[in-house]
Amino acid sequence: GDSVTQMEGPVTLSEEAFLTINCTYTATGYPSLFWYVQYPGEGLQLLLKATKADDKGSNKGFEATYRKETTSFHLEKGSVQVSDSAVYFCALTTYGNKLVFGAGTILRVKS
Amino acid sequence: SAVISQKPSRDICQRGTSLTIQCQVDSQVTMMFWYRQQPGQSLTLIATANQGSEATYESGFVIDKFPISRPNLTFSTLTVSNMSPEDSSIYLCSVSLRVGEAFFGQGTRLTVV
Repeated sequence: GDSVTQMEGPVTLSEEAFLTINCTYTATGYPSLFWYVQYPGEGLQLLLKATKADDKGSNKGFEATYRKETTSFHLEKGSVQVSDSAVYFCALTTYGNKLVFGAGTILRVKS
Repeated sequence: SAVISQKPSRDICQRGTSLTIQCQVDSQVTMMFWYRQQPGQSLTLIATANQGSEATYESGFVIDKFPISRPNLTFSTLTVSNMSPEDSSIYLCSVSLRVGEAFFGQGTRLTVV
């Protein structure tokens, strides 16, 4: 079945450091790809998405590019802030609205 | 967007009892989804709840253990039946207004003792 693999955390960075969280997927169809974020004490919320190959999703300084050839959707940010500390989930859907999530990566940013 | 309210936000329950979790959405939606997030793990889809029909359960989840109601287009309940400590998780309600763009409630943190 479809699956998503994320790099294990926690990832600990200093403020203004560069962030990469790796995400790769396997899917039988042609998936849409997503990053969701869960801030402490809050529910999950959509961070960004890409629906076809070479699309770049972006939001709040975060970016991810849909790479069909490497089946990847790595999340990047050039300069993280303490407020970016959260759990990040990579996800995909190939059948309508049913989402398959990765295990989540905890990001901790120190001032 | 959609605003989702879940109740209760947390509960501690005795094993062998049942808990019903309520999910209210501020707009009418066709499909609602129930997920489980076990400690330190990712979200796993339990079932999809459509108004006016039986819920569709994912592999490993059965109606007797997780009965779901969907009486109208803005409301759903999930019951965790005959609970054991292994059912301790966060249970999340979700809706999608567009493909993959899911909105989540804040979840119900369940502890079974």
